[in-house]
Amino acid sequence: AQKITQTQPGMFVQEKEAVTLDCTYDTSDPSYGLFWYKQPSSGEMIFLIYQGSYDQQNATEGRYSLNFQKARKSANLVISASQLGDSAMYFCAMREAQGGSEKLVFGKGTKLTVNP
Amino acid sequence: DAGVIQSPRHEVTEMGQEVTLRCKPISGHDYLFWYRQTMMRGLELLIYFNNNVPIDDSGMPEDRFSAKMPNASFSTLKIQPSEPRDSAVYFCASSFVQTYEQYFGPGTRLTVT
Repeated sequence: AQKITQTQPGMFVQEKEAVTLDCTYDTSDPSYGLFWYKQPSSGEMIFLIYQGSYDQQNATEGRYSLNFQKARKSANLVISASQLGDSAMYFCAMREAQGGSEKLVFGKGTKLTVNP
Repeated sequence: DAGVIQSPRHEVTEMGQEVTLRCKPISGHDYLFWYRQTMMRGLELLIYFNNNVPIDDSGMPEDRFSAKMPNASFSTLKIQPSEPRDSAVYFCASSFVQTYEQYFGPGTRLTVT
């Protein structure tokens, strides 16, 4: 079974609107972390936001927020006020703490296109 | 800080040749990771080190791949002999033990013909 599932291969949004990128995960480990990374066409992987499984509040970083629904095992990324520069691939990833592993497992990604 | 540095940025080589990819992690980071990204398989972890010691190499595809970290500021990923199916972008990343976010280098785009 896939650990991280991103069901949207591509998403389109108008500039200045908000967009939600979906991510569901599968783990039996009670302690885990969820990440979102951005990969623009230039290729680098840019860390955006992190949510720990025990964090009480949803993580926020500027225009990025993580809608964490533990019971549903979902960790959707919300980008508010989209900008043209937000056009990129977005990857959801999970770290399971069991055994002290630092291994990140990535989803297949969602390609976001912001239209002017 | 300069961020994670990788070299070369692009490598084109012929099948059967040895390829060495290099990485300098962010100073003070405890962990170093090597990833491979392809269209077919996505982003997958090959190996990671903690304080220069290999911890998990279960993602290394086969014996042709080897990785070393002789000191805290340098790591290599070697492929010998290289094959066309090794063509991919190889990323190096590093992180602190106290935090979890991994910071990626710009990647090395490897093409094996």
